[in-house]
Amino acid sequence: DVQLVESGGGLVQPGRSLRLSCAASGFSFEYYAMHWVRQVPGKGLEWVAGINWNSDKTDYADSVKGRFTISRDNAKNSLYVQMNSLRPEDTALYYCTKVTLSSYDAFDVWGRGTMVTVSS
Amino acid sequence: DIQMTQSPSSLSASVGDRVTITCRASQSITSYLNWYQQKPGKAPNLLIYAASSLHAGVPSRFSGSGSGTDFTLTITSLRPEDFATYYCQQSYNTPRTFGQGTRVESK
Repeated sequence: DVQLVESGGGLVQPGRSLRLSCAASGFSFEYYAMHWVRQVPGKGLEWVAGINWNSDKTDYADSVKGRFTISRDNAKNSLYVQMNSLRPEDTALYYCTKVTLSSYDAFDVWGRGTMVTVSS
Repeated sequence: DIQMTQSPSSLSASVGDRVTITCRASQSITSYLNWYQQKPGKAPNLLIYAASSLHAGVPSRFSGSGSGTDFTLTITSLRPEDFATYYCQQSYNTPRTFGQGTRVESK
């Protein structure tokens, strides 16, 4: 089965850092671009960051640019996001997503998410 | 950034109803439009990609249409398991942006 499993969430104080991980299985991870999407409970979806298959290209939402870094390790079938200088508004459920192989880049597989709470 | 606006924000419908949700982009995104369904406590699921292509395993009662700036998701005969929130999303450029969601509730 194709599966994405996020980990690393938790309660963290404002200004501190956290690293989220996403373990991929059931597909050839190294061929696919990957993204992080977040959702404040009860609210809508917000794209956070994306990375292409070989890490040549990364993109970020303006709200996290300069604070978050997306990366991947194809040998370990893993995706990461390093989150620095966390703010209360970063509190959300963070999903790892895989894109389709087509050029339309839809998010066809999602993990269950890991919750990040930024609070003192 | 490309803004995605869905309408309505919510709707009430009955099993068997035809349901239509619209999504408008602030600039042309050609056919780079995707639709997702999300149920409470669950991750979103891809329904439609490239504006009108049905994702594998998605029932044929779901369909998408449109191009440029105006798009539509249609459920031809609503089933009980279709009560959920639906999001459109553009993949034309970054930042990838989502609509605010349309909640489909039972009348």
